[in-house]
Amino acid sequence: KNQVEQSPQSLIILEGKNCTLQCNYTVSPFSNLRWYKQDTGRGPVSLTIMTFSENTKSNGRYTATLDADTKQSSLHITASQLSDSASYICVVYSGGSYIPTFGRGTSLIVHP
Amino acid sequence: DAGITQSPRHKVTETGTPVTLRCHQTENHRYMYWYRQDPGHGLRLIHYSYGVKDTDKGEVSDGYSVSRSKTEDFLLTLESATSSQTSVYFCAIRREAEQYFGPGTRLTVT
Repeated sequence: KNQVEQSPQSLIILEGKNCTLQCNYTVSPFSNLRWYKQDTGRGPVSLTIMTFSENTKSNGRYTATLDADTKQSSLHITASQLSDSASYICVVYSGGSYIPTFGRGTSLIVHP
Repeated sequence: DAGITQSPRHKVTETGTPVTLRCHQTENHRYMYWYRQDPGHGLRLIHYSYGVKDTDKGEVSDGYSVSRSKTEDFLLTLESATSSQTSVYFCAIRREAEQYFGPGTRLTVT
């Protein structure tokens, strides 16, 4: 069964600090992995996409990594801002399937 | 913005009453999805559609039915709402191998 596990479940940091969110997956065959950001009361929005051949990809202060051998991904947030407070969801797309596998998300709270 | 709207955005209903949620898209995408999101569970697939009148079940389809008579509309019906169906419901479309989500409907069953 395809699964995506995220850690930690929740995280509280001070504004300006860095943090790293983790995602482990057992999805086969792998097509790509995306990190979504979900603000309170809104739908998830894609931040980055990682394909099999990509190790690192940045989107502003967000940097995603992918290790396809160990089936792990991370999302690193640099110099956090209050607006980074949200849930971050790891989603893995399988080749040949139109239904992705979702992690349960990491809830990030950034305090001033 | 993938041109997805959901209605209503908020609804409170009583146990045993029928409820229909609507998802509308403006870009004629073939695939549409209904998810529910609950604390501790993340997003779970209820039903999805791969064309007009073509639908299939997801992992949590019990108690729900769907219909798609037009490309742009995907309806989710709770035939007899129960308290366990209190949740936030998200519609999504598939565009260029990625899912885009609507703003959600918060449903409370009392």
